[in-house]
Amino acid sequence: GQNIDQPTEMTATEGAIVQINCTYQTSGFNGLFWYQQHAGEAPTFLSYNVLDGLEEKGRFSSFLSRSKGYSYLLLKELQMKDSASYLCAVRDRGGGADGLTFGKGTHLIIQP
Amino acid sequence: DSGVTQTPKHLITATGQRVTLRCSPRSGDLSVYWYQQSLDQGLQFLIQYYNGEERAKGNILERFSAQQFPDLHSELNLSSLELGDSALYFCASHTGEYGPGELFFGEGSRLTVL
Repeated sequence: GQNIDQPTEMTATEGAIVQINCTYQTSGFNGLFWYQQHAGEAPTFLSYNVLDGLEEKGRFSSFLSRSKGYSYLLLKELQMKDSASYLCAVRDRGGGADGLTFGKGTHLIIQP
Repeated sequence: DSGVTQTPKHLITATGQRVTLRCSPRSGDLSVYWYQQSLDQGLQFLIQYYNGEERAKGNILERFSAQQFPDLHSELNLSSLELGDSALYFCASHTGEYGPGELFFGEGSRLTVL
């Protein structure tokens, strides 16, 4: 089985930087995903890490340390539209959908 | 627009009733996944189909069933509905059976059981 932990809620200021952490415990590991979900809408893909290190994509970066079971999503130059839930999801070694487990998400509030 | 289509977008029904949710995956995607999202829960995996066959099962209740048709669209059937079944039901699709690459989610069907 898998266990994923991420903070329930975070608050940040427009224009600033915020880091959302995710820790996981899994019997196997085959990749970590970050999704963004606005209230009542579909989750949309942000990033995928399978090797240790930092993946950068515009204002969003994601980091992975497999030995520590740890990832973070870094959002720079925050905009009001970044107010959303951010879901960390881990795929186990089998790679199947039953191995893709989502955390409960971090609700990010952006203040002016 | 993810390319995944779900209907209906909203559904209100009574306890004990039965409903069917429909999903059309992205063009070319063979895998369809169903997830349930309640207010206080994360996305809970229900079931996966690949090219018409069931591939993986998660925390799906016996009152729920699904199938994938030859044209690859899928239906999730929820019966003997209870208040606790009120949730957002998402369908997602993927190119292959499993492997790298993200899931593409539909806009969801919001089910309210009164």
